[in-house]
Amino acid sequence: EVQLVESGGGLVKPGGSLRLSCAASRFTFNTYSMNWVRQAPGKGLEWVSCIGSSSNYIYYADSVKGRFTTSRDNAKNSLFLQMNSLTVDDTAVYYCARDRENSHGMDVWGQGTTVTVSS
Amino acid sequence: DIQMTQSPSTLSAFVGDRVTITCRASQSISRWLAWYQQKPGKAPKLLIYEASSLESGVPSRFSGSGSGTEFTLTISSLQPDDFATYYCQQYDSYPKTFGQGTKVEVK
Repeated sequence: EVQLVESGGGLVKPGGSLRLSCAASRFTFNTYSMNWVRQAPGKGLEWVSCIGSSSNYIYYADSVKGRFTTSRDNAKNSLFLQMNSLTVDDTAVYYCARDRENSHGMDVWGQGTTVTVSS
Repeated sequence: DIQMTQSPSTLSAFVGDRVTITCRASQSISRWLAWYQQKPGKAPKLLIYEASSLESGVPSRFSGSGSGTEFTLTISSLQPDDFATYYCQQYDSYPKTFGQGTKVEVK
């Protein structure tokens, strides 16, 4: 079964950094663009970032631009999100999600990893 | 940025009811719209893409329609497994944006 598994979440102080990882399995990772989506406690979904299949493009939400960096390692079937200058507003469950072919929606999601920013 | 507005925010319905959720975009997005279902503590699940195409494995009681700025998700006969929160999402341009969600609850 196609699978995405996030890791790296945890508790961090405001101003701190964290690096999330997403391990992909059972599909040809290097042919799909990938996304990060987050959900603050009790809130809706917020798209965070998208990276092309060969890292040929990377887009960010305005709320994280300049603080977060998305990257991928196709040799290791892995996606990453480097988060710097974290604030309490970044507290959320972070999901990685695969873009469906031709980027029509996100068809495979991980289980999510929780990031808590608190002093 | 394109704003997505869903209505209603909450919907109360009985099993067997026909349910319709509306999603409006702040500018035309052609047919580049997806619908997701999310249950508490779980990741979202893709239901519909390109406004009306049913994702593989999704029951046929789910359908989508619309183009431009107005879209609908319809559940033809609500089942117990369908009580959840539904989100629309545009992918016409970056940043991709979601609606605020519609919670479908038991009446």
